Amino acid sequence: TQLLEQSPQFLSIQEGENLTVYCNSSSVFSSLQWYRQEPGEGPVLLVTVVTGGEVKKLKRLTFQFGDARKDSSLHITAAQPGDTGLYLCARDTGRRALTFGSGTRLQVQP
Amino acid sequence: NAGVTQTPKFRILKIGQSMTLQCTQDMNHNYMYWYRQDPGMGLKLIYYSVGAGITDKGEVPNGYNVSRSTTEDFPLRLELAAPSQTSVYFCASSLLGQGEHEQYFGPGTRLTVT
Repeated sequence: TQLLEQSPQFLSIQEGENLTVYCNSSSVFSSLQWYRQEPGEGPVLLVTVVTGGEVKKLKRLTFQFGDARKDSSLHITAAQPGDTGLYLCARDTGRRALTFGSGTRLQVQP
Repeated sequence: NAGVTQTPKFRILKIGQSMTLQCTQDMNHNYMYWYRQDPGMGLKLIYYSVGAGITDKGEVPNGYNVSRSTTEDFPLRLELAAPSQTSVYFCASSLLGQGEHEQYFGPGTRLTVT
């Protein structure tokens, strides 16, 4: 099985703090996606990374794909209450579908 | 463009009842998916379809059935509902099936089986 492990499971921080969440696997990814899910809604794609060592930035969010393509991280600078949500990583199963990690639930307190 | 729509939003079933969760997309996507999300967890793939008339099992297909008679619609059928099927169900679609292509999700159906 191509399991994705996400850490931490839960994170509660104050507005303005920085944070990093991680997504790891024992096997190589061909690509990895990060989604954010707000309460009561479906996930929404934030970014796709496909190249080992790749770094992508989306405003205050920085996504990194590990050189060996077995791990990825999401760093948020100066977190805001609007960043609150469930952050999910997902990888291609090779069967034209995705496998999702169990997610990191982030709460940003004003 | 409505994107991916799901009905109903909420449903309570008694053990042994059956129901169909509806999913429609208006983006002319070939690929459609059904996931379930248990409280505090990620998504698990139930079934998916790569085009009209073609369906395949995902990670947790037992207790469910699907059909894909048109590009737009991908209903999920629950036969003989069980408490273990209490979950939030998400339908998604994508233009292509490769992992680098975005999946667009519907708002979900919250199902309780008692």
